[in-house]
Amino acid sequence: GAGVSQTPSNKVTEKGKYVELRCDPISGHTALYWYRQSLGQGPEFLIYFQGTGAADDSGLPNDRFFAVRPEGSVSTLKIQRTERGDSAVYLCASSRGPFMETQYFGPGTRLLVL
Amino acid sequence: AQRVTQPEKLLSVFKGAPVELKCNYSYSGSPELFWYVQYSRQRLQLLLRHISRESIKGFTADLNKGETSFHLKKPFAQEEDSAMYYCALSRGGGSEKLVFGKGTKLTVNP
Repeated sequence: GAGVSQTPSNKVTEKGKYVELRCDPISGHTALYWYRQSLGQGPEFLIYFQGTGAADDSGLPNDRFFAVRPEGSVSTLKIQRTERGDSAVYLCASSRGPFMETQYFGPGTRLLVL
Repeated sequence: AQRVTQPEKLLSVFKGAPVELKCNYSYSGSPELFWYVQYSRQRLQLLLRHISRESIKGFTADLNKGETSFHLKKPFAQEEDSAMYYCALSRGGGSEKLVFGKGTKLTVNP
């Protein structure tokens, strides 16, 4: 079946602009995760949703970052007043549920802030 | 705080040689450990996890709690094993986030 999809695949924006990144999880997966991967680093956790609610948002770096999952399926990661340091690949993953189910990753959105 | 260390950024071996990718972790509880792999132009995917005790594509990994290690091993490397490998840790117990190492790029030469 279809895997996790993310749009756009690439996004170029200017410093100070607002961006939205979208994630479509595998159908039926209740858990959804966002990670950020900077060049030369491993993925870094941002936020985890179980259903519609954010069960763990401890990885969000500051209040410019916000994510929603209003209907428990698609999620949007929103970044306000982008900074050059936000440039990275943003990865989304989903799993059937909590309790250490395998996380399946999407292809990522490559964000470049000029 | 949890931390995962992969000391080798790059690892190069010849086809047919044994390969070991090192992973050390720091966490005071009982973590769950994973190896993820990313082949060229593909997405990150799970290779194996310690609780399943499986051998996937000839790879194995044993959790050594005394040494806090979870090294990935394969006795005979193949060219198609060339990829980026990430070790990851989860605290479990309802905390689902994965903490990743920086990764090791494995190149298997013909």
